[in-house]
Amino acid sequence: QVTLRESGPALVKPTQTLTLTCTVSGFSLSTSGMCVTWIRQPPGKALEWLALIDWDDGKYYNISLKTRLTISKDASKNQVVLTLTNMDPVDTATYYCARRRITVPDYGMDAWGQGTTVTVSS
Amino acid sequence: QSVLTQPPSVSGAPGQRVTISCTGSSSNIGAGYDVHWYQQFPGTAPKLLIFGNINRPSGVPDRFSASKSGTSASLAITGLLAEDEADYYCQSYDRRLSGLYVFGTGTKVTVL
Repeated sequence: QVTLRESGPALVKPTQTLTLTCTVSGFSLSTSGMCVTWIRQPPGKALEWLALIDWDDGKYYNISLKTRLTISKDASKNQVVLTLTNMDPVDTATYYCARRRITVPDYGMDAWGQGTTVTVSS
Repeated sequence: QSVLTQPPSVSGAPGQRVTISCTGSSSNIGAGYDVHWYQQFPGTAPKLLIFGNINRPSGVPDRFSASKSGTSASLAITGLLAEDEADYYCQSYDRRLSGLYVFGTGTKVTVL
């Protein structure tokens, strides 16, 4: 059974750095084609893709947030970490991690964590 | 931020058919990239509903179908049920620098 679980602080202050961890099970982060991606959703708004890391440690970012985002992984711990610097109230959102498999056919983001809500406030 | 446009809401009576459009451009859907659809209930994570333009994952009822043509895609729900009331998002890829993965603006389906 494939599962993903996000963890991190529920509250951060403006200008601080957010660090979120996605712990996965049921698949290996080192298996060819396996990727983990981060998506966020501000309250009442649409989904926004943030970043992706692939099995070969390739990293891809939303260009509008690229200067603030860092994604990394520790395959031995089955964890993917996302950091977002210089947090602002507009970054208040639920943050999700999801699995993405680079396969044919393309399965999209076929497994999601339950999400973790982050509020940015002083 | 979203480069894929969906109607904010659609509604229908139980048993009816509703469709949700997802309009993109030549840099995403029109470039031949696959479209996926996700269903999201309030307070829960999105769930994959359709992958690869037209395919349903195991467990998704065949009341849900999808298609893609040109720079647009659409999701249809036939035989609408109360349990289908949720938000629906399309997702594709964009070859411009603005982002690799793009989501639609989202559509709220209301069952009357």
